[in-house]
Amino acid sequence: AQSVTQLDSQVPVFEEAPVELRCNYSSSVSVYLFWYVQYPNQGLQLLLKYLSGSTLVKGINGFEAEFNKSQTSFHLRKPSVHISDTAEYFCAVSFTGANNLFFGTGTRLTVIP
Amino acid sequence: EAQVTQNPRYLITVTGKKLTVTCSQNMNHEYMSWYRQDPGLGLRQIYYSMNVEVTDKGDVPEGYKVSRKEKRNFPLILESPSPNQTSLYFCASSFGQERTGELFFGEGSRLTVL
Repeated sequence: AQSVTQLDSQVPVFEEAPVELRCNYSSSVSVYLFWYVQYPNQGLQLLLKYLSGSTLVKGINGFEAEFNKSQTSFHLRKPSVHISDTAEYFCAVSFTGANNLFFGTGTRLTVIP
Repeated sequence: EAQVTQNPRYLITVTGKKLTVTCSQNMNHEYMSWYRQDPGLGLRQIYYSMNVEVTDKGDVPEGYKVSRKEKRNFPLILESPSPNQTSLYFCASSFGQERTGELFFGEGSRLTVL
C-alpha cells in the first residue's frame, strides 16, 4: 500500500540548533516528494520538492532535504533554526506524477528562544 | 497579486443546512483541489479538477460536491452538512504537469457543524 509517514508529531528545538524532520514513504512506483510549511492561521506553501536528478534538494529559508531511495525517506533539515521557523511541516508524495498529493500527518516544529 | 481566495473564512452552521464554500484563483491554473485538515490526520483530498468541466473524487469525497464551470472557480458544496464535516478546509490550485506538485493554497475555511 502507498503511504506517507511522519513519525514525529512535535519537535521542540532551541534557537540556532540544527533540526531534522523525518519523512518516510511506501510505494511500489516512482514518486515525487515535497515538503510544505504551514505558518499559524495560514495556508500551506511549498518549501522544496524532488522530481528527479540530484537527491539533495535545497529550498526556501535555508531548508534542504535528501531523497534516499533505498530507505524510502525524504528527511528535511536545517543547520540553524530561527524563531520564525516555528510552524507545521508536511511531507507530501505524488504517487502518480500528477498534482494529486498525499500528505503526511504533519510535524509541529517549535523553536525555543 | 497571485492568490487563491476562499470564502467564508469562518462558518458555524447546523446539521442539514446546505452551504457552499467558494474558491477562486487568479493565476489561470488548470488544476484545482479541495482538502480537509483534521488534527492527527494531516490533509486529505476531497475532490480535484484537472480542468474546466472535469472533476474527480479524492480520498474522502462522501458528503461533498464540487463543480468547475469556469477555470478560476471551484466551489465546494455540502448538501446536508453533518458534525463529522467540522474541519478546516483548503482550496489549492496549480499549473498543469510542467509544475507538478507545486500547489498554491488558500488561507483556509474553518467550518463548524452543530
